[in-house]
Amino acid sequence: EADIYQTPRYLVIGTGKKITLECSQTMGHDKMYWYQQDPGMELHLIHYSYGVNSTEKGDLSSESTVSRIRTEHFPLTLESARPSHTSQYLCASSESRLAGGSYNEQFFGPGTRLTVL
Amino acid sequence: KNQVEQSPQSLIILEGKNCTLQCNYTVSPFSNLRWYKQDTGRGPVSLTIMTFSENTKSNGRYTATLDADTKQSSLHITASQLSDSASYICVVSDRGSTLGRLYFGRGTQLTVWP
Repeated sequence: EADIYQTPRYLVIGTGKKITLECSQTMGHDKMYWYQQDPGMELHLIHYSYGVNSTEKGDLSSESTVSRIRTEHFPLTLESARPSHTSQYLCASSESRLAGGSYNEQFFGPGTRLTVL
Repeated sequence: KNQVEQSPQSLIILEGKNCTLQCNYTVSPFSNLRWYKQDTGRGPVSLTIMTFSENTKSNGRYTATLDADTKQSSLHITASQLSDSASYICVVSDRGSTLGRLYFGRGTQLTVWP
């Protein structure tokens, strides 16, 4: 079992609310990722980070923002949630390629199921 | 365009039976291919990972094969159990970026009935 945690596991909120999805890993991994997954669909990368103070947007455009102040912590924030943000959000981490990690294998958290009413 | 296609989209089998899931990809340059198991409401968990030079790899009742020439992979599940009910996702990594970008299939939803 990978040591990567996400909270909350489930969240139901009203439109316009600000929310933060938490993600923490205790493996000391440099790289962290946020994916969005709708039912029956593939995972889409929305944000990633190479390390502290590094954040990049992924393939899928997202209105969310992320921060990486500490190695182990990679929170995702939605300033004003909308029904279109309803989805499952998965956080993952991996070792740095330069550190010789196992094929950059990504370890996933359990996910946060977000519903915006 | 880098893509990963999986078939079938869904599959129902009886407990104890075997099954094979398919994955075709167009990702280039190829680095490695992984099969993940994702239980409902959970994050994906890695089952196997194979590089270009590996043709087959086993993990208990799971056996993955890779044909890098035809860009096809399969995941064979032997003597299925009820706990095998999950989505099985084929993921291909390219070696063209420092990020080690992953390309995900949509998964095959496997249901095992008693």
